[in-house]
Amino acid sequence: DSGVTQTPKHLITATGQRVTLRCSPRSGDLSVYWYQQSLDQGLQFLIQYYNGEERAKGNILERFSAQQFPDLHSELNLSSLELGDSALYFCASSVALAPYEQYFGPGTRLTVT
Amino acid sequence: AQSVTQLGSHVSVSEGALVLLRCNYSSSVPPYLFWYVQYPNQGLQLLLKYTTGATLVKGINGFEAEFKKSETSFHLTKPSAHMSDAAEYFCAVSVGFQKLVFGTGTRLLVSP
Repeated sequence: DSGVTQTPKHLITATGQRVTLRCSPRSGDLSVYWYQQSLDQGLQFLIQYYNGEERAKGNILERFSAQQFPDLHSELNLSSLELGDSALYFCASSVALAPYEQYFGPGTRLTVT
Repeated sequence: AQSVTQLGSHVSVSEGALVLLRCNYSSSVPPYLFWYVQYPNQGLQLLLKYTTGATLVKGINGFEAEFKKSETSFHLTKPSAHMSDAAEYFCAVSVGFQKLVFGTGTRLLVSP
């Protein structure tokens, strides 16, 4: 158990819908990262927050957004969902910016039908 | 841009045999390198990391990796494979202190 929690574990929704994925980092970790894992793209970095502020953006679509709240939990919002958005979404956290190791949550499996 | 290449999408070994998973990196600055393992239907677990200092890094579950700058490599080894080592292994490089860039992964298969 990494100490990073993610909810829900599974999510099945239809195209065009909007979902919110939630992540609670390890106690004391200030930095949160979101990654997408799919068969065709592998593990891709989406976005990073540090102490409530966005610090880095990766291959994140405009339909996707995220935020980190004062209690340091983070949410990833996915809207206008397409079939190709089906993937595993991981949240990771680290103590500070780097090069500290990132601890990964169990992931949310999103299935868009 | 920093990147990692993992040679071999699948590696098969017998129980008790040496495990060698290959990772080569590309980086314009001194890299920070990591190996993660992913068991089926689970998240990624850190096996070991290299930041600075000793080039031979020991991790959990008997795994170790050696940073070789001259070969731009960070191969993962374990002297004797166990059935429980069957999983997918990812090499990653830290980029700009902001994200990890992962390789495509190597699935380790262990046969009795």
